[in-house]
Amino acid sequence: DAGITQSPRHKVTETGTPVTLRCHQTENHRYMYWYRQDPGHGLRLIHYSYGVKDTDKGEVSDGYSVSRSKTEDFLLTLESATSSQTSVYFCAIRDSDRVYEQFFGPGTRLTVL
Amino acid sequence: GIQVEQSPPDLILQEGANSTLRCNFSDSVNNLQWFHQNPWGQLINLFYIPSGTKQNGRLSATTVATERYSLLYISSSQTTDSGVYFCAVRYGNNRLAFGKGNQVVVIP
Repeated sequence: DAGITQSPRHKVTETGTPVTLRCHQTENHRYMYWYRQDPGHGLRLIHYSYGVKDTDKGEVSDGYSVSRSKTEDFLLTLESATSSQTSVYFCAIRDSDRVYEQFFGPGTRLTVL
Repeated sequence: GIQVEQSPPDLILQEGANSTLRCNFSDSVNNLQWFHQNPWGQLINLFYIPSGTKQNGRLSATTVATERYSLLYISSSQTTDSGVYFCAVRYGNNRLAFGKGNQVVVIP
């Protein structure tokens, strides 16, 4: 258990609504990541953070923004949700600056109607 | 970007059987991880294996980085082994590229 929680765990929202997903970790890890999982695509990186206020884009970042104002929280925001953003969202942490192993949270299932 | 291909995509096993899952990747990588996603959606770390062979109980993994592949062996399969197995490789400084997974069903 890498001490990662995600909230909410399930959310249903309507197209055009802003949505924020939260990832919280308790072990002071520097690196945090957001992925989405869709059938037939495996997991794809949306954004990641390498420290407070330090973030970078992944391969599917369009339509998403992130913020990290403190070490333990990494927020993913959909400014105006679309049906194509219906997915399962996973947060991950990297355990060490020297070892690149990532550990994943329980996921958030988001449905955009 | 880097391509990660897993085979076979689907596998049905009789309980007690052995199996091998394969992960091929298109470029040199610095590390590789195997995950098991259980039927409840949880992603469980199995191996962090940039190269060489590791064993954990009935599971073992081998990565041959110079030939760009990794293998995951499941021996004496159990119904709890059902789920999707993902291979993921690191590229760049902070990115993991995932394969599409091996869907495994173990029947009693």
